[in-house]
Amino acid sequence: EPEVTQTPSHQVTQMGQEVILRCVPISNHLYFYWYRQILGQKVEFLVSFYNNEISEKSEIFDDQFSVERPDGSNFTLKIRSTKLEDSAMYFCASRWGRTDTQYFGPGTRLTVL
Amino acid sequence: KNEVEQSPQNLTAQEGEFITINCSYSVGISALHWLQQHPGGGIVSLFMLSSGKKKHGRLIATINIQEKHSSLHITASHPRDSAVYICAVPGGSQGNLIFGKGTKLSVKP
Repeated sequence: EPEVTQTPSHQVTQMGQEVILRCVPISNHLYFYWYRQILGQKVEFLVSFYNNEISEKSEIFDDQFSVERPDGSNFTLKIRSTKLEDSAMYFCASRWGRTDTQYFGPGTRLTVL
Repeated sequence: KNEVEQSPQNLTAQEGEFITINCSYSVGISALHWLQQHPGGGIVSLFMLSSGKKKHGRLIATINIQEKHSSLHITASHPRDSAVYICAVPGGSQGNLIFGKGTKLSVKP
């Protein structure tokens, strides 16, 4: 069965460093999302991506964040200058249509020291 | 913005018990999602429903659109059902989800 994959599974970085989290969505899906979950808290929406551009973003998704779909398969989330409060689990998700089931990747645990 | 409330926050059950988890939301929606988060963190979609009831194995999800309320039931619960169960609703025009805080279920043998 097709699945969403994410790499790395765990990333440790120093405050102020740039990180890139990678996702490979299911191949025929058209809508892509990033969510995050701070330890002990609920999952929060960051950004949605459709037709090679950001279609919606939350107030969390400020200028420090960017997303790209560089080669038609990978979907990346970049954090330019990480802060301690960026430590969280980051989930990528994809779906075929806007109202279909979302499929989640296993997550990348980001630890900022 | 839709507010999603789940109850209870934590639930401990004995193996074989019938489990009910509740979800309410504040703004009318087209469909509601139930998801399961494993202890390792991974999220799996269980149901997406817009009306009535859906069943998959021992899991049953119901929704009352007028009451803005949904329930997830687990029949004959088993220790492998131990996980966090999350209710989520559409949050924007692009299908992003607003999540509840989740219900942590622990089923004891």
